[in-house]
Amino acid sequence: DQQVKQNSPSLSVQEGRISILNCDYTNSMFDYFLWYKKYPAEGPTFLISISSIKDKNEDGRFTVFLNKSAKHLSLHIVPSQPGDSAVYFCAASYRQGAQKLVFGQGTRLTINP
Amino acid sequence: DSGVTQTPKHLITATGQRVTLRCSPRSGDLSVYWYQQSLDQGLQFLIQYYNGEERAKGNILERFSAQQFPDLHSELNLSSLELGDSALYFCASSAGRQGGNEKLFFGSGTQLSVL
Repeated sequence: DQQVKQNSPSLSVQEGRISILNCDYTNSMFDYFLWYKKYPAEGPTFLISISSIKDKNEDGRFTVFLNKSAKHLSLHIVPSQPGDSAVYFCAASYRQGAQKLVFGQGTRLTINP
Repeated sequence: DSGVTQTPKHLITATGQRVTLRCSPRSGDLSVYWYQQSLDQGLQFLIQYYNGEERAKGNILERFSAQQFPDLHSELNLSSLELGDSALYFCASSAGRQGGNEKLFFGSGTQLSVL
């Protein structure tokens, strides 16, 4: 049962344009959401997060939007840069004793010059 | 550099064998997490240790076990290996024990190939 889904395995965007990565979840108990970025031969690195009490969080070029009623979140990157080419993982957590982090399958973002 | 060290980077072994993956967390971090990433799959949570004690368990097979030592490094033991165990195994660490809201720092992973 995939509780966190990233339905687009890959996305290609022109440099300077907006990149939008999407993520859907099924468990309404999730109360915290994160995005991690992964380069080849490296481990994932934390990018940005959002609590379920908010619907938007912004950090420089990165903005995460949360739509709780639709159980959907998205990551916007504006403007996209070549260094943004990586695999992006959406993750969600909920409190059940110790909190567990559930990851999506990842979306490979390619920024074309 | 995340500060999390995983060894070895690559491991090739045969079915039925047993291997040990090692992880040193960031200095000062008390929690260690193990994740498995199979082909085209997201990261699957296996297990978490906090200060030497098992804190949370995920989809970890009975053939797999882990422990965290007094110096806080952790080992993941995989036994009776099967072809399907081939995957990238990540270790992550965090300062506290609440793994969900905390920022996790990941190592670069151990690529296990079972032939």
